[in-house]
Amino acid sequence: GIQVEQSPPDLILQEGANSTLRCNFSDSVNNLQWFHQNPWGQLINLFYIPSGTKQNGGLSATTVATERYSLLYISSSQTTDSGVYFCAVPNSGYALNFGKGTSLLVTP
Amino acid sequence: KAGVTQTPRYLIKTRGQQVTLSCSPISGHRSVSWYQQTPGQGLQFLFEYFSETQRNKGNFPGRFSGRQFSNSRSEMNVSTLELGDSALYLCASSLWVMGEGINSPLHFGNGTRLTVT
Repeated sequence: GIQVEQSPPDLILQEGANSTLRCNFSDSVNNLQWFHQNPWGQLINLFYIPSGTKQNGGLSATTVATERYSLLYISSSQTTDSGVYFCAVPNSGYALNFGKGTSLLVTP
Repeated sequence: KAGVTQTPRYLIKTRGQQVTLSCSPISGHRSVSWYQQTPGQGLQFLFEYFSETQRNKGNFPGRFSGRQFSNSRSEMNVSTLELGDSALYLCASSLWVMGEGINSPLHFGNGTRLTVT
């Protein structure tokens, strides 16, 4: 199946700082999704982004499908942004392959 | 619109028992999929249903099964529980558009945390 690698695995930011998370995938895909899992385990869909750039509040994502990567930008981070960020791409059929995630802690 | 609802939120079972988890998708969503999340293996796909048919199954033993009802609600069952089945079980629904594969965003429920002792 398609391999998904995320970096960095862990990240600590001071509130207000910006950062970029990266997701590399091993084969062509027709879409990619970014999720945020909060400390209570809830997994929230942030972006469905086959290609191009999308923005949602202080977050934006860019997927360059031809080069097999996607970036998630976090600007002016807040403590509520803490949690784990996952990217996922379609595997065979109707399954998603998830990366191992980037664990983010935003400190006051 | 109500989100994806999973019940129960927490379960404690003993090895050898069986368990049934329930998932109600977002209204209008006909595709329901299940994932297992553990610290060691991360998020792993279990199965996906559409119109009461299983379209895809992940690499899990036959002790893991599921079904979907005509109202799109889904259940998954794990029989003969093992300690390694302790995990967060997540259900997701999507508004699948005619075509191949996943082609719309997945929306997850809050999960059922299963502990096997």
